[in-house]
Amino acid sequence: GDSVTQMEGPVTLSEEAFLTINCTYTATGYPSLFWYVQYPGEGLQLLLKATKADDKGSNKGFEATYRKETTSFHLEKGSVQVSDSAVYFCALSPSGGYQKVTFGIGTKLQVIP
Amino acid sequence: DAMVIQNPRYQVTQFGKPVTLSCSQTLNHNVMYWYQQKSSQAPKLLFHYYDKDFNNEADTPDNFQSRRPNTSFCFLDIRSPGLGDAAMYLCATSRDRQNRGGPQHFGDGTRLSIL
Repeated sequence: GDSVTQMEGPVTLSEEAFLTINCTYTATGYPSLFWYVQYPGEGLQLLLKATKADDKGSNKGFEATYRKETTSFHLEKGSVQVSDSAVYFCALSPSGGYQKVTFGIGTKLQVIP
Repeated sequence: DAMVIQNPRYQVTQFGKPVTLSCSQTLNHNVMYWYQQKSSQAPKLLFHYYDKDFNNEADTPDNFQSRRPNTSFCFLDIRSPGLGDAAMYLCATSRDRQNRGGPQHFGDGTRLSIL
């Protein structure tokens, strides 16, 4: 079945450091790919998405590129802030018909001043 | 201007005592979802409504049921909560399940504790 694999956290970075959170997936066809963010005590927010190969999703300085050849959708940000501290979930939605979203386990990011 | 509102934020119930969690949305979205999220785990889809059409996931226990009396409201009923049902319950919406998109808006969740 479909699956999403994320790097284990927590990830601790200093403010203004470069962020990469790895995500790879297993799915047939061409799934849609997502990153969600969950701030402490809140629900998830859709951060960005990509629906076909080579698409780049971007939002709030975060980017991720849909790489079909490596089945990856790594999240990057050039300069993190303390306010980016949260849990980040990679997810996929299979192609065709009703899309049930499969989430990764989540990666906790802590940014220190 | 919250768009998906879950009440209450925290719910405590006794083992075996029925409990209902509620969710409302101001987005007029067709699809409403219920997820269960246990500590340090990914959200797990329990079921969803596409308009009035109820769709249960195959591995959702019979103990969990849902109602959607109108577009704006959706309820999660746990008939006989067990200790293993303690979790965060997340409600989410999306405009249309055919748009190759996942859930677009989440509520802040209800954290359920079982005594």
